[in-house]
This record gives sequence, structure tokens and C-alpha cells, in this order.
Amino acid sequence: DGGITQSPKYLFRKEGQNVTLSCEQNLNHDAMYWYRQDPGQGLRLIYYSQIVNDFQKGDIAEGYSVSREKKESFPLTVTSAQKNPTAFYLCASSSTGTAGAYGYTFGSGTRLTVV
Amino acid sequence: AQSVAQPEDQVNVAEGNPLTVKCTYSVSGNPYLFWYVQYPNRGLQFLLKYITGDNLVKGSYGFEAEFNKSQTSFHLKKPSALVSDSALYFCAVRFAAGNKLTFGGGTRVLVKP
Repeated sequence: DGGITQSPKYLFRKEGQNVTLSCEQNLNHDAMYWYRQDPGQGLRLIYYSQIVNDFQKGDIAEGYSVSREKKESFPLTVTSAQKNPTAFYLCASSSTGTAGAYGYTFGSGTRLTVV
Repeated sequence: AQSVAQPEDQVNVAEGNPLTVKCTYSVSGNPYLFWYVQYPNRGLQFLLKYITGDNLVKGSYGFEAEFNKSQTSFHLKKPSALVSDSALYFCAVRFAAGNKLTFGGGTRVLVKP
């Protein structure tokens, strides 16, 4: 079945460590997105990519980095510069085009906790 | 600039009663509108979308939404709520010129038995 997979489901990070969250999709979608969600809160866009080897900062990119070397993969690294990384991270993908009629498909999320 | 608002942080409803979750948007063109639902510790699931055509859109799990262009609204409705409908609901809008969705802040729905 086509879908979008995030791993791991739970991740624990020590202070000062970088960690990488995985996001893989087999939907042949061009665009991929990373969101951060804090308890009881909405979604905040971290980074997005509309094509391989290109990505743009979202609203809260500081302390995060991404790469898009393959169409299927869009990993997110939470660096030690991110002062409050404990949150639920969601990856999404979508088709692109002038029709604009496509919604997003979301992964099941990664819960990151700083210990 | 495009924006979308969900004016209620939480909606409480008794099981069996009608459920409405409000969404309004700001746009200078024709929007594409979406509703998603999120259960605890899960990703967002697509419920329904409005692209064009009939203003009343039917989606998953018995939900429907009505597009009202004059009021720039896209309220989500369910005639008879279930306890299992308790979740976080997000409205989102996309405009023809761009590909990103803009999400509302979310509305928590609590359906009491």
C-alpha cells in the first residue's frame, strides 16, 4: 500500500545531541513537509521541499536542518541549537501542480523528548 | 495573504446531537478547502475537501461541510455525533497559485456520552 512512514515513533534525546527523524513516502509525491506540534496546539511549518535537491524554510526553521536527496525521503535533523525540541513532529507529502486540488498525506508522527 | 481561522478552541456536544466545527478563511481568489482529523498521538487524517461544484461536500465517517463563498466559511458538520468523534479537527486552505496548505489552529471536539 502507498503511504508515508515516519520513524521512530518515539525518540529520546540528551541535551546537546543532534537527532534525525526519518520520513519516507512511496506515493510518488513531489512535495514534502515537516511540522511541529506542541501539546494542544496547532501545526507549525518547519521546512518544506517541492522538488528534489531544493527546500525552503518554514515559520520555525531555526535549530533544524533538512535534506532532499531523493524524492522518497525528507529527513529532519533537530540540532543542539534547538532550545526546546520536545514536541510531536509530523511529516506530510503532496502532489504539486497548477490545479492546487491536492491535500496532504500525513505520517503517523514522531514524539521527541529531551531527557 | 491567505489565512484560515477556527474561532473555537473546543466544542462540547452530547452524543447523538448535531456537531458543528467552524472555519473561516481569507482569500483573494478561489480557495481549495480541506478538513482533517487527528486522534491522540497520530497523524492527521483527511476527512473531505471542497474544490469546485456543489457547495455541500460529503466526506468520511458521516461528516459533511458546506462551502459558503459570501461568508468565506467552510464549517464541518455531523448530524449525530459519536463519542468516537472526540478528536482534534483542523481546517486548511490552499490557493491555486501555491501548493502549501495553510492550517487553522485546530478545534478540539469532546463528545460526551
